[in-house]
Amino acid sequence: DGGITQSPKYLFRKEGQNVTLSCEQNLNHDAMYWYRQDPGQGLRLIYYSQIVNDFQKGDIAEGYSVSREKKESFPLTVTSAQKNPTAFYLCASSIFRTTGQGPTPASKFFGPGTRLTVL
Amino acid sequence: GENVEQHPSTLSVQEGDSAVIKCTYSDSASNYFPWYKQELGKRPQLIIDIRSNVGEKKDQRIAVTLNKTAKHFSLHITETQPEDSAVYFCAAKRSIYSGAGSYQLTFGKGTKLSVIP
Repeated sequence: DGGITQSPKYLFRKEGQNVTLSCEQNLNHDAMYWYRQDPGQGLRLIYYSQIVNDFQKGDIAEGYSVSREKKESFPLTVTSAQKNPTAFYLCASSIFRTTGQGPTPASKFFGPGTRLTVL
Repeated sequence: GENVEQHPSTLSVQEGDSAVIKCTYSDSASNYFPWYKQELGKRPQLIIDIRSNVGEKKDQRIAVTLNKTAKHFSLHITETQPEDSAVYFCAAKRSIYSGAGSYQLTFGKGTKLSVIP
């Protein structure tokens, strides 16, 4: 799991500002994801990307944007349109393994997280 | 879409006792069910997973059971230790195929396990 890094660890934002959270992986995984974690809510999917230059909205994409210009990097921008951005943000990556029964999902590895607080 | 319910939300056990956490899912086509452990302020880490072609899987003190007919799966921790104290999340892989290399998980809301020495 040391192959996924997120920065910064803590981030403070003023209302009306956009901020960008970094996520980098050196696991050679094709797929990357952003989750948001709130107390008592579990993990909710914001965006995911299967491959470079492609990404898809998750369940709570409003107020967020992403890019995937490189396989190793999947930055998340929290825009001023996100009404309640204070949360713990987790990046993840995954790969499929090919077995005798076809492709099966392998582990999803999480980064250490970024805690975003709106002042 | 998929919906995962997890119970209980909090669980306290005495050291050495067993702990059981239960999850139900709604999409009968879901076929992969991982469990994650998250210690305070840290990232979730996969502790065990099970695929729909298997009914039970064990790894030392941890086991997971799956009942496809009833659409529920459970995490069993035996001989609990203080270091087992954490939040545990179950998840189910959605049946929607998202393309090579990616898949979507729906997570339960977590169970905070406290092991009392």
